[in-house]
Amino acid sequence: NAGVTQTPKFQVLKTGQSMTLQCAQDMNHEYMSWYRQDPGMGLRLIHYSVGAGITDQGEVPNGYNVSRSTTEDFPLRLLSAAPSQTSVYFCASSKGGAPVIAEQFFGPGTRLTVL
Amino acid sequence: GQQVMQIPQYQHVQEGEDFTTYCNSSTTLSNIQWYKQRPGGHPVFLIQLVKSGEVKKQKRLTFQFGEAKKNSSLHITATQTTDVGTYFCAGHRGSTLGRLYFGRGTQLTVWP
Repeated sequence: NAGVTQTPKFQVLKTGQSMTLQCAQDMNHEYMSWYRQDPGMGLRLIHYSVGAGITDQGEVPNGYNVSRSTTEDFPLRLLSAAPSQTSVYFCASSKGGAPVIAEQFFGPGTRLTVL
Repeated sequence: GQQVMQIPQYQHVQEGEDFTTYCNSSTTLSNIQWYKQRPGGHPVFLIQLVKSGEVKKQKRLTFQFGEAKKNSSLHITATQTTDVGTYFCAGHRGSTLGRLYFGRGTQLTVWP
């Protein structure tokens, strides 16, 4: 199993450009999430999904869109990149479950710089 | 707002000293998880606590979940240079399906 994969590893954008960060998992996990990590701010949740066709906003959703058309893929779209979106982005997945949530598996991250 | 508070933000210790990081939630959690992130890496799951008052050990690491299921701690005995990294707690509230609330992490530096 490859686990959680993310592409690209690094990306430089100009202000106003759009792009999609890819995330895929091959563990048949129901839950997937996108986080951004900035120095001193920990991991902040952008969007998450509890299954195909279901998404919800996290703590910092503005400027980002997601969709979940398949169990495996959870792409994150930056609509019009801004310097404030310079960050490291992590995708994570976990098995479904309630009320106890299972451990999350993280991808290696995408380091994004917006000029 | 911040749902799970974690302190301290930074901790510098000499090798062999002990280390503790604390997490506190404003609401009752159904479970809490701990992750470690090495410099330049991604968070890696360490352990999960579910029961009130639960204590779990992994070699030199001891994890506790409070009786009210609102706080947790990670204690490392006799730190080693391999313990360097950022430790995160992450709480789950049963009412918010699929979502973890991460603390801001404690960055541990160990001097040899």
